[in-house]
Amino acid sequence: QVQLVQSGAEVKKPGSSVKVSCKASAGLLNNYGVSWVRQAPGQGLEWMGGIIPIFGTSNYAQKFQGRVTISTDESTDTAYMELASLTSEDTAVYYCARSLLVIVGGTGRSDAFDIWGQGTMVTVSS
Amino acid sequence: DIQMTQSPSSLSASIGDRVTITCRASQSIRHYLNWYQQKPGTAPKFLIHAASSVQSGVPSRFSGSGSGTDFTLTISSLQPEDIATYYCQQSFSTAPTFGGGTKVEIK
Repeated sequence: QVQLVQSGAEVKKPGSSVKVSCKASAGLLNNYGVSWVRQAPGQGLEWMGGIIPIFGTSNYAQKFQGRVTISTDESTDTAYMELASLTSEDTAVYYCARSLLVIVGGTGRSDAFDIWGQGTMVTVSS
Repeated sequence: DIQMTQSPSSLSASIGDRVTITCRASQSIRHYLNWYQQKPGTAPKFLIHAASSVQSGVPSRFSGSGSGTDFTLTISSLQPEDIATYYCQQSFSTAPTFGGGTKVEIK
């Protein structure tokens, strides 16, 4: 069964960092992208950034530039999202999602998100 | 960033009713519009790709239409299992953005 399995819930102190993992079934991410989307309690979905391994590109929402790093380890079919300088406003459920790709002129961008992880709750509290 | 505005933010309808949700983009996004369904405590589910392509396994009562800046998601006959929040998402730009969501409840 194709799926993305995320690491468990985290409780962090303000100012610290968190790293969430997203393990894919073998081959699930081949020729696809991976994005991270978060959802604060009672709020909507917010795209944080994504990576497209076959093009070696990553991009981030302006809001998170300089604070978030998204990476993949193709040897283990695992994606990672690290968010630094945490504040209480970063308390949210963090989802990884496989993205279809729009291929234009030899490069690509994220299209729809067709498979999602189960979500990881990150709580930032002193 | 491209802003996505959904309306209404919530609605209440009876079983069997036709339900329409609107999504408007702040600029033309051609057909690069996707829809998701999210039930409480679960991850979003991919429903519709490229404005009107209903994904495999999604009931035929769901449909999507539109292009440019204005899009709609229609549920032709609301069922109890359709109670959820629905989100649109644009994939025209390199920074995808979501609408604010529409919560669908049973009257």
